[in-house]
Amino acid sequence: EAGVAQSPRYKIIEKRQSVAFWCNPISGHATLYWYQQILGQGPKLLIQFQNNGVVDDSQLPKDRFSAERLKGVDSTLKIQPAKLEDSAVYLCASTFGISNEQFFGPGTRLTVL
Amino acid sequence: GQQVMQIPQYQHVQEGEDFTTYCNSSTTLSNIQWYKQRPGGHPVFLIQLVKSGEVKKQKRLTFQFGEAKKNSSLHITATQTTDVGTYFCAVRGSQGNLIFGKGTKLSVKP
Repeated sequence: EAGVAQSPRYKIIEKRQSVAFWCNPISGHATLYWYQQILGQGPKLLIQFQNNGVVDDSQLPKDRFSAERLKGVDSTLKIQPAKLEDSAVYLCASTFGISNEQFFGPGTRLTVL
Repeated sequence: GQQVMQIPQYQHVQEGEDFTTYCNSSTTLSNIQWYKQRPGGHPVFLIQLVKSGEVKKQKRLTFQFGEAKKNSSLHITATQTTDVGTYFCAVRGSQGNLIFGKGTKLSVKP
């Protein structure tokens, strides 16, 4: 079974630039999550999708972050414009059901200079 | 909102020593999950505990859920260098999302 795919794996940008991350969850997993993991901390949820609908985006900085999952499968997370404090690993995870274990992708390490 | 405290933040052990990390909540939990993240890697699910007082074992790992369902622990017997990483507990938020603790970073000296 293929795991959660994410790209790119690494990205370096300057502040005020834009960046986009892509995630393809495990086939059949209806729930998709985007997390931000700052160095030395646990993952923090940014947004949760159930199929193509948003379940929870309460911690998404909506002035600069946006995410979509138009066809209920893969998803993109965008930051525009980026700030220095956005430097982190962005993890995508998926689950078959909300109460099940989450399967994480390898993450995208973002460095904002 | 829901929070979970995890201690210690760091633990350095000699190979063969035991290791324990603790997770505490001020509210009663419906369940708790544990994840391991190797250096440079992503979190990997270890286990989910649901029942009060539940104890589960996976080889050298023992997971416990407190009687009041407000705390949990992960104990590793006779650590090995392959146990190196950060161990996170995670609890459910109101929307079914996971809220992670800050993790305990384990280093093992051969």
